[in-house]
Amino acid sequence: SQTIHQWPATLVQPVGSPLSLECTVEGTSNPNLYWYRQAAGRGLQLLFYSVGIGQISSEVPQNLSASRPQDRQFILSSKKLLLSDSGFYLCAWSVRVAGGTDTQYFGPGTRLTVL
Amino acid sequence: AQSVTQPDIHITVSEGASLELRCNYSYGATPYLFWYVQSPGQGLQLLLKYFSGDTLVQGIKGFEAEFKRSQSSFNLRKPSVHWSDAAEYFCAVVWNTGFQKLVFGTGTRLLVSP
Repeated sequence: SQTIHQWPATLVQPVGSPLSLECTVEGTSNPNLYWYRQAAGRGLQLLFYSVGIGQISSEVPQNLSASRPQDRQFILSSKKLLLSDSGFYLCAWSVRVAGGTDTQYFGPGTRLTVL
Repeated sequence: AQSVTQPDIHITVSEGASLELRCNYSYGATPYLFWYVQSPGQGLQLLLKYFSGDTLVQGIKGFEAEFKRSQSSFNLRKPSVHWSDAAEYFCAVVWNTGFQKLVFGTGTRLLVSP
């Protein structure tokens, strides 16, 4: 069966510091991968998605970047964190389905607090 | 723009009572519809999904949802709520056009009273 891991689970960082959040998926190959942010009291905002190694699409301009160095690894980064980067970051995966739509499955999330 | 509306921010239901959470989506191409649940501090868990066929779909934990094209709705129901159902519920929609981006509603927080 497939599983998705995110770490760290919780992170407190000062403004201006770098960020690296990691997401890995097990039990599947060539998945689509996604990064979402969930700000307090708000819905989920898609930040990045990837359909393959090295292929990253950004949904919103921001202080963050994403990379996919391996098939089942997705990394969210920042060179200098802002207060507004605080939130709950969720990684998700899906498998492409020809002629239909795929279903996204979510990881446990990382709670980021920028002080 | 394509959008998903969950008009109820909070709902309180007595344990054992029935539940209906509302979800409406903006008109567009054929939608694929999902309900997810999120417990505090946790990720999202898929409850059920509708792609085609029977408009009443069954999910996990005793939940069901009904797709009504004429009303652009996909309401989630449960006949008898348990205290463990207290969580936040998200409706999400993919429109079958281009890259199939999942668009989420803002969520409904369910409180269960004894």
